[in-house]
Amino acid sequence: GAVVSQHPSRVICKSGTSVKIECRSLDFQATTMFWYRQFPKQSLMLMATSNEGSKATYEQGVEKDKFLINHASLTLSTLTVTSAHPEDSSFYICSAGTGEQYFGPGTRLTVT
Amino acid sequence: GQSLEQPSEVTAVEGAIVQINCTYQTSGFYGLSWYQQHDGGAPTFLSYNALDGLEETGRFSSFLSRSDSYGYLLLQELQMKDSASYFCAVRDIAGGFKTIFGAGTRLFVKA
Repeated sequence: GAVVSQHPSRVICKSGTSVKIECRSLDFQATTMFWYRQFPKQSLMLMATSNEGSKATYEQGVEKDKFLINHASLTLSTLTVTSAHPEDSSFYICSAGTGEQYFGPGTRLTVT
Repeated sequence: GQSLEQPSEVTAVEGAIVQINCTYQTSGFYGLSWYQQHDGGAPTFLSYNALDGLEETGRFSSFLSRSDSYGYLLLQELQMKDSASYFCAVRDIAGGFKTIFGAGTRLFVKA
């Protein structure tokens, strides 16, 4: 089946720095990818829809300037958490697919 | 907007059958999915219903009634490894077929 990868799987950064997370569709092209955030014992919250070649669509309450999304090719979307703070520590998951959604393995971000 | 409701927690014994219900509200319904997530892991796809009826995949079955905005996941012959969180998720035509997740149902399987 289709595979979506994420890199890195785990990252620790200091408060105030920026972190980039990559999401790749390995065996299919994805004009649209989705970014989710999940806090412990909570559900996945959709942050934004990443659109290849155009601006991302952010969900209400998600800061566009803080969570920068770039979908530069049909197989790659990146999420950059800018000026990260401890409250941004979370599990970030991307997905892609038109029918069945294929999820990446997730990136656990810890901001110290 | 979209909203989904599912029970927060279910407990069952090994070998039993458990049903997790999900009701949803959305303006552009496209399909209902179910995902399993173990602690620390990413969600894994279980099933997808776009049309009314029952879909069976091994020990897991999923049902959809679009007229009732209702679906359920049925797990049979429960095993200890089925202890996990189960999310229903609605695929919405609005905004490019985004998927919105329910709050999740924590399933505890006891010996």
